[in-house]
Amino acid sequence: TQLLEQSPQFLSIQEGENLTVYCNSSSVFSSLQWYRQEPGEGPVLLVTVVTGGEVKKLKRLTFQFGDARKDSSLHITAAQPGDTGLYLCAVHDSGGYNKLIFGAGTRLAVHP
Amino acid sequence: DTGVSQNPRHKITKRGQNVTFRCDPISEHNRLYWYRQTLGQGPEFLTYFQNEAQLEKSRLLSDRFSAERPKGSFSTLEIQRTEQGDSAMYLCASGGQRLNEKLFFGSGTQLSVL
Repeated sequence: TQLLEQSPQFLSIQEGENLTVYCNSSSVFSSLQWYRQEPGEGPVLLVTVVTGGEVKKLKRLTFQFGDARKDSSLHITAAQPGDTGLYLCAVHDSGGYNKLIFGAGTRLAVHP
Repeated sequence: DTGVSQNPRHKITKRGQNVTFRCDPISEHNRLYWYRQTLGQGPEFLTYFQNEAQLEKSRLLSDRFSAERPKGSFSTLEIQRTEQGDSAMYLCASGGQRLNEKLFFGSGTQLSVL
């Protein structure tokens, strides 16, 4: 069982549509990060959420951390083909050295 | 380019051969992590260096895997006697001195074992 469950696994939509992807866990976290990974590249950090209920916006992307700090969502408004990629949520391991534990990701394809 | 650099970008090898990958982190970063990512999964932690010291190794890192960071700058990851199950993207990430600082990932080395 993965620590972080991401859904959906795959999402294929048309340009201009809105979408939401989810990252869920039964554990409580002090912070959670969202990354985007394009094919053949490494993950790039989009945002870190820290406070329960926190909402952060990055242009057309809206990130929310659950009130209980167990889950998070990413909402994209008016998706563009450039949003295509693998969206990963990640948390820091509590055991030290701040290594990241990733979910399996949501693979998004936005078609023109 | 002052980002994290990984070489080679792609490696195709036959089962049983040894392979070595290199990671050049951002120059002032003392933290370096190796991750492995298979198709349909997120990256999985392999090992962590702080300067030249290897401080943590995952159970995923079997005895066929060895990593070094001899002078606290670049790092190498060697896989001996490769198996088909080793086929994956191997990612390197580096970060600054503080543990809560952002990590920067390289573009990875895609390994295919035939």
